[in-house]
Amino acid sequence: NAGVTQTPKFRVLKTGQSMTLLCAQDMNHEYMYWYRQDPGMGLRLIHYSVGEGTTAKGEVPDGYNVSRLKKQNFLLGLESAAPSQTSVYFCASSLGPEETQYFGPGTRLLVL
Amino acid sequence: DQQVKQNSPSLSVQEGRISILNCDYTNSMFDYFLWYKKYPAEGPTFLISISSIKDKNEDGRFTVFLNKSAKHLSLHIVPSQPGDSAVYFCAASDRYNFNKFYFGSGTKLNVKP
Repeated sequence: NAGVTQTPKFRVLKTGQSMTLLCAQDMNHEYMYWYRQDPGMGLRLIHYSVGEGTTAKGEVPDGYNVSRLKKQNFLLGLESAAPSQTSVYFCASSLGPEETQYFGPGTRLLVL
Repeated sequence: DQQVKQNSPSLSVQEGRISILNCDYTNSMFDYFLWYKKYPAEGPTFLISISSIKDKNEDGRFTVFLNKSAKHLSLHIVPSQPGDSAVYFCAASDRYNFNKFYFGSGTKLNVKP
C-alpha cells in the first residue's frame, strides 16, 4: 500500500514550457486535491476532484488545469509555465469531504 | 488575505516541556479545524482535529483547544520529544465547503534534547 505518490519529485522548466504532474493513490479515495506551498504561506488549494470525471476550482486555479480520468489518478497541468509557478506542489486524497486528507511527498518545481 | 494565520514561524522547546502552537482565524463560518505535521521532504500528515461543537480534543500527548469567541486554536504537546521537531500547520474549513481547507503558514517546532 503506497498511499499517495507523486511524479516527478523535482523538475526545472523554462518559462513557457508545459508539463504535467501526476498524482496516484491506491486507497480507493473519492476525493483528490492539488495544493501549492510557497515560503511564508500555507498550502493553498489549486483544484480538487470529488470523484472520477469531476474537477473543481480551488483558491488559486489560474494557470493550471486538471483531469481525473481514472479514480486513482489526478493530473495537474501547466500549459505555459511562469516563474510565479515556482513552488512545491502537494497532492492529497481523502475518502470524503470531512475525512482526513493523506498527502503525497510533494513535487518541487522551479520555473526559470 | 490569509484566513488562517500562524504568527510564530518558529518555536524552540526543551525536551520534556510543553510545546504550545497557536493559530488564529478570521472567518467566523469555520467550524472544523485540523493540525498537520510535516517533516522535511515529506507531505503533511494528519495529527488531530476538532469541530466547533467542542472546545478541547485530546489524543495522547496532543491536545487541541478551540476558543471560538477569540477565533483562536492552539495545539499543546506534552511532554515534547525530539521526534516532534517538525513544521506544524493548522487548517480550517466550514460545513458548506468541506472540500476547501485553508492552511496557516506553519510553525517550525524544534525540541531540544
